[in-house]
Amino acid sequence: EADIYQTPRYLVIGTGKKITLECSQTMGHDKMYWYQQDPGMELHLIHYSYGVNSTEKGDLSSESTVSRIRTEHFPLTLESARPSHTSQYLCASSDYTGTGNTIYFGEGSWLTVV
Amino acid sequence: SQKIEQNSEALNIQEGKTATLTCNYTNYSPAYLQWYRQDPGRGPVFLLLIRENEKEKRKERLKVTFDTTLKQSLFHITASQPADSATYLCALIDIDDMRFGAGTRLTVKP
Repeated sequence: EADIYQTPRYLVIGTGKKITLECSQTMGHDKMYWYQQDPGMELHLIHYSYGVNSTEKGDLSSESTVSRIRTEHFPLTLESARPSHTSQYLCASSDYTGTGNTIYFGEGSWLTVV
Repeated sequence: SQKIEQNSEALNIQEGKTATLTCNYTNYSPAYLQWYRQDPGRGPVFLLLIRENEKEKRKERLKVTFDTTLKQSLFHITASQPADSATYLCALIDIDDMRFGAGTRLTVKP
C-alpha cells in the first residue's frame, strides 16, 4: 500500500466557494502530481512539482492552483468553484530519479460543484 | 501529435481464459512502459514496468511485451479470475515525460 493520503474523499460544494484538496505523502518523494479524471475517462495531468517551492502546470489547463511548501504536502486550491470543476482529482508522488519510476496514487477526491 | 491507444472497447472474457490488452502509440519513443490497474473510484496501482530494451516481463500471472518497432505493448493475464476485473492503464515514460492511455475495462465472468 502506498503512503499517500487525500482529503476529503468526497465533497459537494456550492458554486463560487473556495476549496482546497489536501494531499500528503510519507515516502519522502520529491515529485508530486495532480491528475483530473472524469468517470470512465483518461487521466489528465493538471499540476506537478519537482520538490519544495517548485510548481508546474500540466498538459490540461486548469483554473486550480497548487503550492509545495513542504516535501510531504501538495494541496490543490480552487478559488471559485464552478460546476465544470466537478470531477475526480487524484494526487500522486514518485521518486524523482529519472525515468521508469513508479507513481503512487492516492485514493482520489471526488468533487461535485452544484 | 503523440497518441496512446488502448483497446477501444471493453473486454469481456470467461474465467480461466487469458486476457490480452493492447497499448499502441504513435509519435513517441518511450524509454519505459508501465501498466497500472484501476478499480472504480480508486487511484491507479502500479503493476509492471518494462524497458525499451526488454522484450518481455513476467510477474505471477501477468506478462507484458514491448515491441518498439511495432510501437506496441501487450498485457496478458493468464488464468483470469473475476477479481481481475478492473480498468488497466498503460503509461509511457520518456525522460521526464509520462503519459497515460485512456485504459481498457476488463470484465472476467465466472
